[in-house]
Amino acid sequence: KNQVEQSPQSLIILEGKNCTLQCNYTVSPFSNLRWYKQDTGRGPVSLTIMTFSENTKSNGRYTATLDADTKQSSLHITASQLSDSASYICVVSVSSGSARQLTFGSGTQLTVLP
Amino acid sequence: SQTIHQWPATLVQPVGSPLSLECTVEGTSNPNLYWYRQAAGRGLQLLFYSVGIGQISSEVPQNLSASRPQDRQFILSSKKLLLSDSGFYLCAWSVPGRRLSYGYTFGSGTRLTVV
Repeated sequence: KNQVEQSPQSLIILEGKNCTLQCNYTVSPFSNLRWYKQDTGRGPVSLTIMTFSENTKSNGRYTATLDADTKQSSLHITASQLSDSASYICVVSVSSGSARQLTFGSGTQLTVLP
Repeated sequence: SQTIHQWPATLVQPVGSPLSLECTVEGTSNPNLYWYRQAAGRGLQLLFYSVGIGQISSEVPQNLSASRPQDRQFILSSKKLLLSDSGFYLCAWSVPGRRLSYGYTFGSGTRLTVV
């Protein structure tokens, strides 16, 4: 069964600090992995997309890493800002070409305090 | 550029009442369209997807239905709402003619509360 596990479930940090969110998956055959940011009451917005051959992808202060061998990904946020407070969702795709190919993690709720 | 619109943003409905949520996409033709539900603290659950007008696939048995009357319009409906239908509903679209894992863009969501 395809699964995506995210940790921690929630995280509180002070403004300006760095943090790392984890994503472990058991999805096969793997196509790509993406991280979304979802503000409260809003739809998810894509941050990064990585294919099997990519190890790192950056988007501003967000840097995602992927280890396809261990089936792990991380999202590192540098110099956090209050606006980073949101849920971060890891999504893994299989390469079957089906509309059911996305598997969503339950998200990490990040709170950045002043 | 492509945009996706979803409305209403919030909705409070009594048990047993009907439901109609609408989603439209602009700037593209024949998109793949999706309805998801997100329960608190849980991942997104795919409810329906459509690869063309009148073509609807249901992922889970439920009290809801979907329709695609026009190319860029996707509607989520129910004849009689249940308390368990409460949740956050998201519409999404993906790039037509390409792997479904690319160009996956979400609408802003509808918070449905059934009372």
